[in-house]
Amino acid sequence: SAVISQKPSRDICQRGTSLTIQCQVDSQVTMMFWYRQQPGQSLTLIATANQGSEATYESGFVIDKFPISRPNLTFSTLTVSNMSPEDSSIYLCSVRGDETQYFGPGTRLLVL
Amino acid sequence: RKEVEQDPGPFNVPEGATVAFNCTYSNSASQSFFWYRQDCRKEPKLLMSVYSSGNEDGRFTAQLNRASQYISLLIRDSKLSDSATYLCVVNSWGSGAGSYQLTFGKGTKLSVIP
Repeated sequence: SAVISQKPSRDICQRGTSLTIQCQVDSQVTMMFWYRQQPGQSLTLIATANQGSEATYESGFVIDKFPISRPNLTFSTLTVSNMSPEDSSIYLCSVRGDETQYFGPGTRLLVL
Repeated sequence: RKEVEQDPGPFNVPEGATVAFNCTYSNSASQSFFWYRQDCRKEPKLLMSVYSSGNEDGRFTAQLNRASQYISLLIRDSKLSDSATYLCVVNSWGSGAGSYQLTFGKGTKLSVIP
């Protein structure tokens, strides 16, 4: 299994500001995934980040709102831009393992 | 119809009880199936994969019925430590990203009571 760390673990932000979440993996991986889990909801895939190419966004998510960087095979960032209270959620980084996917500990975001 | 649907829960059961969770999925082309466990304020972690032949891991038994697009998880002799949310997860081809993607159910919350 992969060891995944995320920073920050939690934050409280004002509306209109942006927050960048970092994800570090202890091994090189081709694909990294960013998910969102809103209160009482299932995990929803935001985008898939491949090293050296543009991220692929799922329906309902756009690059201007959630820009992603993938500078190397062990690191990725997700920015939540121009935040509103509706962006309050847990954001999770994930990588593919032998059988399925492993998740980072998540970043709890509260937007006031 | 939601892609992955689970029992709404919550399930409150006494220690030692047997409890079963059900899940249905809509994509008949789904390839693989899993149960994840998510503790409060923690990330989801793989509990077990689900195979058509059924599989068992200690007190946990998972079943898959591809014809009915139905997945189940049975927990025998429930322990206090089994209290968590159990997520039904389906792996399907995602045309957007051009790769297999996981689709999660909302989860079923289990509380095992002393």
